[in-house]
Amino acid sequence: QVQLQQSGAELVKPGSSVKISCKASGYTFTSYDMHWIKQQPGNGLEWIGWIYPGNGNTKYNQKFNGKATLTADKSSSTAYMQLSSLTSEDSAVYFCARSGYYSSYIVPFAYWGQGTLVTVSS
Amino acid sequence: EIVLTQSPTTMAASPGEKVTITCRASSSVSYMYWYQQKSGASPKPWIYETSKLASGVPDRFSGSGSGTSYSFTISSMETEDAATYYCHQWSSTPPTFGSGTKLEIK
Repeated sequence: QVQLQQSGAELVKPGSSVKISCKASGYTFTSYDMHWIKQQPGNGLEWIGWIYPGNGNTKYNQKFNGKATLTADKSSSTAYMQLSSLTSEDSAVYFCARSGYYSSYIVPFAYWGQGTLVTVSS
Repeated sequence: EIVLTQSPTTMAASPGEKVTITCRASSSVSYMYWYQQKSGASPKPWIYETSKLASGVPDRFSGSGSGTSYSFTISSMETEDAATYYCHQWSSTPPTFGSGTKLEIK
């Protein structure tokens, strides 16, 4: 079965960077896009971007250009997201998610990681 | 980007009561998706392609709509349905979500 296992919570200082991971299992990692989604309390869900591990292609929500960098390591089936120049506005839970098929219909975010809480505080 | 406006923001329903949530898009979308999220958990796909139920979703749930107006209905509220529900579109990039409807049991 598809599983997305994310790294643990992070407490980081303003102005620093953080790199969180999402280890995939139960499917061919290089055959599916991996998305990253931000959730702030009371602010709903925001799509950050996606990476296609098969060739490393990425696409970002313009809002997160320069903030997020997505990479993937095929050898370990792990996707990464680095967030830079952190401010309090970056404090949130970050999810990785993958598309899937239900009865041959594509569902954009069919599988989700458990989320990684990033807290930016001095 | 397409803005999705969900209403109501919060609501409470008694067991057996009918629940309807609406989602309006700032531009026409081909399909709407709905996700359920319980406190401390990841969102789960609940309805896809506007009206199709994800695996394991009870048939008291339904979705409908087209263009810029979509709705999500529970025919008879049950305790386990208390959660936050989000609508979602990916007819255009970036994909966007509604702000969520927190549904509580009365």
